[in-house]
This record gives sequence, structure tokens and C-alpha cells, in this order.
Amino acid sequence: EDKVVQSPLSLVVHEGDTVTLNCSYEVTNFRSLLWYKQEKKAPTFLFMLTSSGIEKKSGRLSSILDKKELFSILNITATQTGDSAIYLCAVPLDSNYQLIWGAGTKLIIKP
Amino acid sequence: KAGVTQTPRYLIKTRGQQVTLSCSPISGHRSVSWYQQTPGQGLQFLFEYFSETQRNKGNFPGRFSGRQFSNSRSEMNVSTLELGDSALYLCASSTLGGVTGEQYFGPGTRLTVT
Repeated sequence: EDKVVQSPLSLVVHEGDTVTLNCSYEVTNFRSLLWYKQEKKAPTFLFMLTSSGIEKKSGRLSSILDKKELFSILNITATQTGDSAIYLCAVPLDSNYQLIWGAGTKLIIKP
Repeated sequence: KAGVTQTPRYLIKTRGQQVTLSCSPISGHRSVSWYQQTPGQGLQFLFEYFSETQRNKGNFPGRFSGRQFSNSRSEMNVSTLELGDSALYLCASSTLGGVTGEQYFGPGTRLTVT
């Protein structure tokens, strides 16, 4: 069965800390993995990863994919209160036009 | 470009009623996907439309249906509402669909069934 599992489900840290969020997957004919940030309502796109070992970076956020071990991590350095959100990862199924999503990691940054 | 819009933003219905939600995608986007999100759950895929055709459907009962119009606007209908249908309903648009990359989400419709 195709699935995407995120861990931890929730995380509370202090401003300035570095966090690592995990996303593991089991899908047939993997193509890509996507990370989204959901602050209030609409998830917003962060990264799409297709190649193993190549880091994608945007400011304090970075992400890398390991296709051998079937997981991705999302790193956030020097966290700020504005990073508080639910972080979602998703993987498209090869057979159709559907994304399957992890349950998300709820990240809370305390000042 | 204007973003994805969804109407209404909030809705309260009683059990047994039906509801129709609307989604207007970003101009030029032909794919619209619908998701249900409940607390503690990830996004659960409902269906995806591309050029007025439903390309795929998730594991939801037949009470959930949708359609897409020639201008790519999409509607989702839920009949015979149940308490468990209370959720945030999100739609997302893209040029080709979820497989090819990022989707742009609307603000969602918060449905409460009493």
C-alpha cells in the first residue's frame, strides 16, 4: 500500500533552535516528493525533490532526499516564531494524478 | 495573477442536508484537485478534474461528487451530510496536475455539520 509517514507529529522548540522534520514514503515508481507549509488555511509550496542527495535550499529552510532509504528531511535553522506551522510532505502516485500526503508535523516555535 | 479562490469560506449545515462548494483556479490552470482535511489527518484526496474530466477519485463515498466547467472553475457537492463530514475542504490548482509538481491551494471552506 502506498503511504507517506511524517515524524514527529508535533514539535515544540525555542526561537533560534534548529529543527529537522522527517518524511518517509513507500510508493510504486517514485517520481518526486513535495514539501508544503500550512500556517492557517492554504498550504504553500516549499520544495519539490526528485534527485537523491541534492539539497534544495531557500533561506533558512533546506531539504534533501534519500531515494535509497526512501525518506526526506526538512531542516529549519535559526527558527523564528513565524516558522510555526504544519509542515506537510506529499508524493505523487505514478498511476494517476493523485498526491498522497503525510499527516504533517505541527511545529511550534516559542519566543 | 489572482490566487485560487474558494467560496464560501465558512458554512454550517445540519445532518441530512447537502452542500455545494466552489473553487476558482488560477487563470490558465486546468487541473483542480479537492482535499478534505480534518484535525490530526493529512490531506485526504477527494478527486481531481482536468479540462472538465474527472481523472481520478479518492476513497470517499458516492455522496461526494464534483464537476468542472469549461472555464476550469470547479464545484464539489456533498449530499446527505453526516457529522463526520465536518472538515476543512481545500482545492488546489495547477497547470497539469499533482504528479508534475506544485499545486496552489485556496484558503479552504470550513464546513461544520451539526
